[in-house]
Amino acid sequence: DAGVTQSPTHLIKTRGQQVTLRCSPKSGHDTVSWYQQALGQGPQFIFQYYEEEERQRGNFPDRFSGHQFPNYSSELNVNALLLGDSALYLCASSLGGLFNQPQHFGDGTRLSIL
Amino acid sequence: GNSVTQMEGPVTLSEEAFLTINCTYTATGYPSLFWYVQYPGEGLQLLLKATKADDKGSNKGFEATYRKETTSFHLEKGSVQVSDSAVYFCALTGTASKLTFGTGTRLQVTL
Repeated sequence: DAGVTQSPTHLIKTRGQQVTLRCSPKSGHDTVSWYQQALGQGPQFIFQYYEEEERQRGNFPDRFSGHQFPNYSSELNVNALLLGDSALYLCASSLGGLFNQPQHFGDGTRLSIL
Repeated sequence: GNSVTQMEGPVTLSEEAFLTINCTYTATGYPSLFWYVQYPGEGLQLLLKATKADDKGSNKGFEATYRKETTSFHLEKGSVQVSDSAVYFCALTGTASKLTFGTGTRLQVTL
């Protein structure tokens, strides 16, 4: 039973560039959430996708956008990269987007901005 | 808004010592509470959860009890092992399903 998979594992970009991160949810899950984890901090919620729509959004600028595909996989796009965007980006999946259902995390994509 | 406060680390213990990591929360309504663990270079793994007051979550020797009267969800283990060395995150979900995390507590267990 495959868990949550993310790609790529590491990425290096320069300021002003754009990046796309990818996530495949755990088998049977239909909801995908994205989190940003700065070094030494807890993850911060970016947004959540359910039924191919953004259902919730955290306090992140419009430079952060996403998409969910019919097979429930998801992409996170970040435009006009800033040095402060350097972080571990985590994808989590769950079932039905219910608040009491546990979210299962991938190993993340480490994004470094030079 | 919702928030989670964890004790600051690092926590350094000898193998077989008793572990407590404190966690308190602020939330409206009846949140669900979670403990996640993060090993170096990895994502987060769900350790245990509790969805209503007085529930006790348990897994791999770790336990935490949902205390609504003290808004707490402290993590405990009776005898830690070197392999338990990791960062532990307390988290909650409120009426929405987004997770709100604490800042994490690093545990270092030595022989």
